[in-house]
Amino acid sequence: AQTVTQSQPEMSVQEAETVTLSCTYDTSESDYYLFWYKQPPSRQMILVIRQEAYKQQNATENRFSVNFQKAAKSFSLKISDSQLGDAAMYFCAYRGTTSGTYKYIFGTGTRLKVLA
Amino acid sequence: GAGVSQSPSNKVTEKGKDVELRCDPISGHTALYWYRQRLGQGLEFLIYFQGNSAPDKSGLPSDRFSAERTGESVSTLTIQRTQQEDSAVYLCASSWSQDTGELFFGEGSRLTVL
Repeated sequence: AQTVTQSQPEMSVQEAETVTLSCTYDTSESDYYLFWYKQPPSRQMILVIRQEAYKQQNATENRFSVNFQKAAKSFSLKISDSQLGDAAMYFCAYRGTTSGTYKYIFGTGTRLKVLA
Repeated sequence: GAGVSQSPSNKVTEKGKDVELRCDPISGHTALYWYRQRLGQGLEFLIYFQGNSAPDKSGLPSDRFSAERTGESVSTLTIQRTQQEDSAVYLCASSWSQDTGELFFGEGSRLTVL
C-alpha cells in the first residue's frame, strides 16, 4: 500500500525568507502524481503544485517549486520569498495511475508559520 | 456551480442520531471523493466515485458509514448511530476524471457529536 510521510509537524520562516517542507512516500508503482496542497484557516484545500512522476523536470509555480527525487521517493516543497499569506497547513499527497489506486493518499501535514 | 459546495457547514448532533452530509461537485466532474479530517490531523480517505463505475469504499471505517452518488451529480454521506469519535470535518472533492490528477475541494462539513 502507498504511504505518505511528512516528518515536520510545524515549521517557521521569516517573511521574505525561503523554507523547505519535506515529504517522502512509498509506492511500487512507476507512474503516479504527487501534489502539495495548502489548507488555510478557512479550511478549503487549495492545490499549490503538482508533479507527474514520469517527468524528470521539477515543477515550478511562481514562488513555489519542488525537489522531486524519484529514486529516493522524496518530494519536498520550497517556498521562496515567504509571505504572510503563505501561513497554512501544507499537505503532501500521492495518487496512483492504475485501477484501484486512484484515491489520493495524504500526509499528516506541516503547519507553516510566517513571522513578520 | 463555481466550486464544490458542501452542506451543512456545521452540524451538531447527539450520540446515536443519524446524520446526512451533502456534496455538490463542480459541474462536469466525473470523480468525487470523501475524506475525513479529525482535529489537527491529515485527510483520511473514505470513498471514491468515478462516473457509473462501482465506488471504491475501501476507506469507510464501519458499516455505519455509507455514501451514494447518482450519476455525476450530488453525493450524500450518511453516518448512522453517530459516535463521539465521528466528530471531524468531512471534506468532499471532485475532479474532471480519474486521469487528470487535480482535486477541487469544498469547504467541508464540521460534525460535532455530543
